[in-house]
Amino acid sequence: DGGITQSPKYLFRKEGQNVTLSCEQNLNHDAMYWYRQDPGQGLRLIYYSQIVNDFQKGDIAEGYSVSREKKESFPLTVTSAQKNPTAFYLCASSIDRIDRANEQFFGPGTRLTVL
Amino acid sequence: AQSVTQLDSQVPVFEEAPVELRCNYSSSVSVYLFWYVQYPNQGLQLLLKYLSGSTLVKGINGFEAEFNKSQTSFHLRKPSVHISDTAEYFCAVSGGSNYKLTFGKGTLLTVNP
Repeated sequence: DGGITQSPKYLFRKEGQNVTLSCEQNLNHDAMYWYRQDPGQGLRLIYYSQIVNDFQKGDIAEGYSVSREKKESFPLTVTSAQKNPTAFYLCASSIDRIDRANEQFFGPGTRLTVL
Repeated sequence: AQSVTQLDSQVPVFEEAPVELRCNYSSSVSVYLFWYVQYPNQGLQLLLKYLSGSTLVKGINGFEAEFNKSQTSFHLRKPSVHISDTAEYFCAVSGGSNYKLTFGKGTLLTVNP
């Protein structure tokens, strides 16, 4: 089955620790995205990547970092600089970024809780 | 800049009743419009999208939406809902040279027996 996988499903972190969320896709999509979802706030874009070894900041990139070393993988690191990291994180992909009509496909999400 | 307003944060309905979830957008250029559904603790799934052509768009699970350019709206409708339609629904817009998919804040649809 083609799709997007995110791991882990639930993640607990102590304050001051960095943590990395995994996102893998086997859809052969060029573009990948990370969103943060908070209750009643919709989805906000953290980072996106159009091709391997390229990524751009979204609306709320502060305190986050990403890498795109492989087409299939787009891990997100939540650093200790992120003031309020507790949230639901969603990874998505689309065939490419340029075509605005492209549907984005979403993974199942990772719920991060800072203790 | 583009924006999306979902006019109702929560919509409770009884099973088999019709429902309309409202979405208005603002954009200075032509847009593409999407409705996504999110079941609890899951990712988003595309219900339907408007790209061009007929303003009435049919999607999965019996949902449909109508694009109204003059009113800048893209309301989602279903003539008869089921308990299993309980979920959060997001309207999103993509337009102009901005690649971004901008989401509304979501509408929680709760279908009661």
